[in-house]
Amino acid sequence: SQQGEEDPQALSIQEGENATMNCSYKTSINNLQWYRQNSGRGLVHLILIRSNEREKHSGRLRVTLDTSKKSSSLLITASRAADTASYFCATDAWAAGNKLTFGGGTRVLVKP
Amino acid sequence: GAGVSQSPSNKVTEKGKDVELRCDPISGHTALYWYRQSLGQGLEFLIYFQGNSAPDKSGLPSDRFSAERTGGSVSTLTIQRTQQEDSAVYLCASSLVGGGLQETQYFGPGTRLLVL
Repeated sequence: SQQGEEDPQALSIQEGENATMNCSYKTSINNLQWYRQNSGRGLVHLILIRSNEREKHSGRLRVTLDTSKKSSSLLITASRAADTASYFCATDAWAAGNKLTFGGGTRVLVKP
Repeated sequence: GAGVSQSPSNKVTEKGKDVELRCDPISGHTALYWYRQSLGQGLEFLIYFQGNSAPDKSGLPSDRFSAERTGGSVSTLTIQRTQQEDSAVYLCASSLVGGGLQETQYFGPGTRLLVL
């Protein structure tokens, strides 16, 4: 079963609006990462947040992590049509070795 | 090369045939991972290599699936006697060290497998 569950499954917004998606997980983690996937092919790493961090920024991206609630959020500010993609959270944990455990993803459509 | 490459990009095969999928990781990356993504789903871990060894094969769905890595570089994922449920995108990723250190995994473009 997947470690991460993402919410919402799909999101449609207008260009310029902010997009927020959430990820919840079940077991203790070392790190949580967010990836982006265009057209069902290769994934691009966006940001990694460690379990002892609460918030991280990268350009228009803001990631939060709440280990007490076992949840994370990804905020894309001032969205662009090019942000249209699927976004996945992935966790790694000592108990799971090196592998990443992915959520089901959020499909984001940014309308121009 | 500059990134992880995979071949073929697309593969259509008949049920019962064997297929081989290839992954060329980023040069110098010692860790290599295979994942599978079914249509509209998240990624499912298959196997992890550290060098030429596979310390974690826990995700391989059946004994029809096997993988090897040679020279600490190229890896092949083999699916024997393919079934229709094997249809998916198979993604390969590599990272610099692995071994329990947390680091970015760099993904290839994937191989889209369709079993008729």
